[in-house]
Amino acid sequence: DQQVKQNSPSLSVQEGRISILNCDYTNSMFDYFLWYKKYPAEGPTFLISISSIKDKNEDGRFTVFLNKSAKHLSLHIVPSQPGDSAVYFCAANYGKLTFGQGTILTVHP
Amino acid sequence: KAGVTQTPRYLIKTRGQQVTLSCSPISGHRSVSWYQQTPGQGLQFLFEYFSETQRNKGNFPGRFSGRQFSNSRSEMNVSTLELGDSALYLCASSLIGPPYQGKNIQYFGAGTRLSVL
Repeated sequence: DQQVKQNSPSLSVQEGRISILNCDYTNSMFDYFLWYKKYPAEGPTFLISISSIKDKNEDGRFTVFLNKSAKHLSLHIVPSQPGDSAVYFCAANYGKLTFGQGTILTVHP
Repeated sequence: KAGVTQTPRYLIKTRGQQVTLSCSPISGHRSVSWYQQTPGQGLQFLFEYFSETQRNKGNFPGRFSGRQFSNSRSEMNVSTLELGDSALYLCASSLIGPPYQGKNIQYFGAGTRLSVL
């Protein structure tokens, strides 16, 4: 039972444009949502998070949106940079962290 | 402050063997979680330890086991290895303990790449 899903395995974006990564979840008990970024040969690193009582959180070029009624989470990166190319995982917390399958983001110069 | 350290970084084993992976959490972190990463499956939760006690367990067979020591260091063991066990095994530590409400940020090591031949 995949409670957290990232339906797009990959996303390709031009440098300077917006990257939008999506995540859907099924468990309405999740109380916190996080995004992690992973480069090859490294472990995932925490990027940004949002509480279930909020609908938006911003940190520099990164903004996370939460739509609780749709059980949908998205990460916006504006503007995208080649260094943002990595695998992005969304995760949801309720007792333990549950991760999605990841989306490979490629930002072309 | 040193990050999460996992050893070894790479391992090659054959079917039927067993393997032990090690994880040293960030100093002061008492919670350690283990994940298996395979292509297309994301990070699959294996188990979590806090204060030397297993607090959560994922849906993996009993061949996968772990333990945590008094200094919070953790080991994961896989017995009777199968080809499908080939994966990247990640360890993560966090400052907060159960019941893990709210902002539970986990800090990951670089992982151990296990190849089973």
